Amino acid sequence: AQSVTQLGSHVSVSEGALVLLRCNYSSSVPPYLFWYVQYPNQGLQLLLKYTTGATLVKGINGFEAEFKKSETSFHLTKPSAHMSDAAEYFCAVTRTSGTYKYIFGTGTRLKVLA
Amino acid sequence: DGGITQSPKYLFRKEGQNVTLSCEQNLNHDAMYWYRQDPGQGLRLIYYSQIVNDFQKGDIAEGYSVSREKKESFPLTVTSAQKNPTAFYLCASSIDGSGGLETQYFGPGTRLLVL
Repeated sequence: AQSVTQLGSHVSVSEGALVLLRCNYSSSVPPYLFWYVQYPNQGLQLLLKYTTGATLVKGINGFEAEFKKSETSFHLTKPSAHMSDAAEYFCAVTRTSGTYKYIFGTGTRLKVLA
Repeated sequence: DGGITQSPKYLFRKEGQNVTLSCEQNLNHDAMYWYRQDPGQGLRLIYYSQIVNDFQKGDIAEGYSVSREKKESFPLTVTSAQKNPTAFYLCASSIDGSGGLETQYFGPGTRLLVL
């Protein structure tokens, strides 16, 4: 069965510092991987996704993630945090065949300190 | 503008009452989904529908019901059988829900509170 683990339910960084949000997955088939962002009291918005091809994926707002099959990871990074990055971030994995299903991680709340 | 709308933004339920959450999309998407979000638990799938007049149970369907009579609409009813309904409910849609690589588009959510 597929699963997603996000390490750290809360992460704090200083403005201008590197953002690193961790996501590890478990899947018996090649996964499709997603990062979504949720601002307070809003729905989720896609940041980026990996399906096939280049393992380094660039998304919106300066975020990127790298698919590492050997480490079963898909960590999200941003070189320099901005106050507007404060939000909750969700990693998700889907199956590549058969019945579709999104599996979401439990989320990481990012706090940016001035 | 294309998107997903959910109403109401806040909903209050009394003991033993059924309440219905609205979800409408004008993206011409075939697939629609309902998720429940609780603090620290991420999103859990309640029901999904890949086509009109068809829907499937998700991981936590007990105490909930849905209908899909129109492509644009996927209302969720929280029945009195759902003993712990307080949560943030998110509706989403995707193009056809068959490939697994589709982006899901989310509505702004409805917060349900019990009186």
